[in-house]
Amino acid sequence: EDQVTQSPEALRLQEGESSSLNCSYTVSGLRGLFWYRQDPGKGPEFLFTLYSAGEEKEKERLKATLTKKESFLHITAPKPEDSATYLCAVQAWGNTGKLIFGQGTTLQVKP
Amino acid sequence: EAGVVQSPRYKIIEKKQPVAFWCNPISGHNTLYWYLQNLGQGPELLIRYENEEAVDDSQLPKDRFSAERLKGVDSTLKIQPAELGDSAVYLCASSLAGSVSNEQFFGPGTRLTVL
Repeated sequence: EDQVTQSPEALRLQEGESSSLNCSYTVSGLRGLFWYRQDPGKGPEFLFTLYSAGEEKEKERLKATLTKKESFLHITAPKPEDSATYLCAVQAWGNTGKLIFGQGTTLQVKP
Repeated sequence: EAGVVQSPRYKIIEKKQPVAFWCNPISGHNTLYWYLQNLGQGPELLIRYENEEAVDDSQLPKDRFSAERLKGVDSTLKIQPAELGDSAVYLCASSLAGSVSNEQFFGPGTRLTVL
């Protein structure tokens, strides 16, 4: 069964304190791994898609990496506006279109 | 470019009442999804449409939930009758078949409260 587990569930950082969020997955043939950001009262907002182990993508203070079993979302020198819930999802070959999400990591960055 | 539009944004109903949610996807997106998101959890797929055809409805509780996508554009998700456990956020998303990043664009969701 395809499954995604994110850790930690919640993370509090001081502004400028870098850290990483973890996404562990099991999937029967990975087509893509997705990271989304979700602000309270809003729908998820797309950040990255990663397709193969070793791939990395960056956007501002965020960098996503992928191995065969997990993905990391590294946040460098975060700012209060980075506070949100970060969701990881996988898409399997043979079931294209369906995203299986983890439960998310809620990040709070204090000034 | 307008994003995915959903209405209403909030709905409060008594249990056993019917309720309907509406979604207008991004123009040109042929794939439409309905997800359910419980508090503190990630979204879970209910149904996926390719144009007018429901290609994956395996997670849709068909005894009380129904959906339609007439003319392959707008979609409506209905619950009849609603139960207390249906309280959640219902998200609509759309995507373009063959897009490089496979990304799905989400609407703001409808927050349903069943009393």
